[in-house]
Amino acid sequence: GQNIDQPTEMTATEGAIVQINCTYQTSGFNGLFWYQQHAGEAPTFLSYNVLDGLEEKGRFSSFLSRSKGYSYLLLKELQMKDSASYLCVCKAAGNKLTFGGGTRVLVKP
Amino acid sequence: DGGITQSPKYLFRKEGQNVTLSCEQNLNHDAMYWYRQDPGQGLRLIYYSQIVNDFQKGDIAEGYSVSREKKESFPLTVTSAQKNPTAFYLCASSQSGSGGVDTGELFFGEGSRLTVL
Repeated sequence: GQNIDQPTEMTATEGAIVQINCTYQTSGFNGLFWYQQHAGEAPTFLSYNVLDGLEEKGRFSSFLSRSKGYSYLLLKELQMKDSASYLCVCKAAGNKLTFGGGTRVLVKP
Repeated sequence: DGGITQSPKYLFRKEGQNVTLSCEQNLNHDAMYWYRQDPGQGLRLIYYSQIVNDFQKGDIAEGYSVSREKKESFPLTVTSAQKNPTAFYLCASSQSGSGGVDTGELFFGEGSRLTVL
């Protein structure tokens, strides 16, 4: 079976750091994506992890621990435009994707 | 520019009517997908197609139908049998349907919001 847990909502201040955690139980796990989705818009790709460790891309970093079934997305130097939902997505064999419910991040001035 | 185009962006339907949502891609991707998104829930897979003239049911296919006559096009019909069709519908594509060196990254269209009156 597939199960993904991430917090529903988080609030942070502009310029701060926020960490969005994602835990998963996925049969045949084969990688994890993070997508950003602004309200009423399509999700856009942020990161992809398949091996354990940290992937850094500008202000955003993503971490994966396969043994713990755990990932996080780290957003640094928060900007108002970072207010969005962040989707944790697990990939299994055959590129089958399972989406988490998303974490809505609200950045306040 | 390469991308995925969905239309219409907004659609209103009366109960009992069938509606078709269009999805066209010029990324030369083999695989195409239809997802449904409801508030507070993750995207749920309706149908997917890994190759032309072939498609598979996803997790919530009841009340929906698709066709894949061309590589570029994957229209979704929401039939009157779908009991709760009001939702945000997202079409996506990926380079290949399964395996290979493709990571499976999805490229999404802008979405179609369907409201049943």
